[in-house]
Amino acid sequence: SQQGEEDPQALSIQEGENATMNCSYKTSINNLQWYRQNSGRGLVHLILIRSNEREKHSGRLRVTLDTSKKSSSLLITASRAADTASYFCATAPRGSGNTPLVFGKGTRLSVIA
Amino acid sequence: DAGVIQSPRHEVTEMGQEVTLRCKPISGHNSLFWYRQTMMRGLELLIYFNNNVPIDDSGMPEDRFSAKMPNASFSTLKIQPSEPRDSAVYFCASTTQWSLGEQFFGPGTRLTVL
Repeated sequence: SQQGEEDPQALSIQEGENATMNCSYKTSINNLQWYRQNSGRGLVHLILIRSNEREKHSGRLRVTLDTSKKSSSLLITASRAADTASYFCATAPRGSGNTPLVFGKGTRLSVIA
Repeated sequence: DAGVIQSPRHEVTEMGQEVTLRCKPISGHNSLFWYRQTMMRGLELLIYFNNNVPIDDSGMPEDRFSAKMPNASFSTLKIQPSEPRDSAVYFCASTTQWSLGEQFFGPGTRLTVL
């Protein structure tokens, strides 16, 4: 099964609200990454959190990582219509070097203006 | 840098025809990945290369699929013969050993097999 599993599968919020998406994984990791995909486009890297980090910020994005629970959350504050996209978590297995990330199936976020 | 370049962006073909998808990774990147994305199965890794050498092709669905990377700046994914169930968006991504695994994706090729 997929290493990363996002929750919820779909989320619809009003512009200005915060959006929280969660990701669970199964094995030990080097790092966890979040990507965004706009409709009809490729994935774009948003933020990376290492296994020894617990929280990271980038602009309106806040990512947390709980390795004891094997889970992560992505918070988008003050959402905008342009944030409408699918969001994927991806894990880099521990000791993997330059080996593939394992992607979840994503959360579809709709931000209504 | 122009990013990862894929061609064509859209391909419509008939069942049984050969399809070749192309990818140019970011200059200096030494790993290249081919993914397939469908609504049902999400994003699936098909094959990846390190330093032009195929490392893991266990995700290639059948012998009808093959991939090559003749040099550091070019890779192809070929489907022969194509079938309607191959219809999907195919992504190429590249990365470097210095990027902690952050991958840079191309815009994808949307393949429709009739």
